[in-house]
Amino acid sequence: AQSVTQLGSHVSVSEGALVLLRCNYSSSVPPYLFWYVQYPNQGLQLLLKYTTGATLVKGINGFEAEFKKSETSFHLTKPSAHMSDAAEYFCAVRGGDSSASKIIFGSGTRLSIRP
Amino acid sequence: DTEVTQTPKHLVMGMTNKKSLKCEQHMGHRAMYWYKQKAKKPPELMFVYSYEKLSINESVPSRFSPECPNSSLLNLHLHALQPEDSALYLCASSQSGTASNQPQHFGDGTRLSIL
Repeated sequence: AQSVTQLGSHVSVSEGALVLLRCNYSSSVPPYLFWYVQYPNQGLQLLLKYTTGATLVKGINGFEAEFKKSETSFHLTKPSAHMSDAAEYFCAVRGGDSSASKIIFGSGTRLSIRP
Repeated sequence: DTEVTQTPKHLVMGMTNKKSLKCEQHMGHRAMYWYKQKAKKPPELMFVYSYEKLSINESVPSRFSPECPNSSLLNLHLHALQPEDSALYLCASSQSGTASNQPQHFGDGTRLSIL
């Protein structure tokens, strides 16, 4: 079985500051990990994904995430926050077992950007 | 622009009405999903169709009835809904329902209000 924990339901940073959104996962099989962003009144947009290979994954809009198996983490970072980054962010996991059709979402982190 | 198109964007209906939500994708994806999302919560999986066959029903009440007429279309028929069914309904698709390394692509959703 898989699960995802996002630490911090709300993160606020200043424009230009580092963004760090935390995600820890639990999986009995090698996980496939995703970060999605949801802007107000929109659906979810894929930011990046980790499947296999390089553990540092680059996504859209300057975001990146690092898969750390030893820490069971997949934290999302961006060096310099922009006002347009304000949104809800979801970490998600899918497993390679019989439940592969399901994607398990974390509870979400709302990112606010201060001018 | 999202590659998964949902109509209508907004729907208000009474508890005795019958209505349908529609979802369309032209990416050649063979798995399609319905999710329900309440405010400030992650999406909750309702149904999964894989190769036009219903593969997962997450114990959804029978007042929600999914239909997959072909590989590009997914409908959700609504009848006798309750006020607690008011939510954002998201459709998603992925290349294959059983390949868990593939992300899901989401539409912008239908915001449903039950009077």
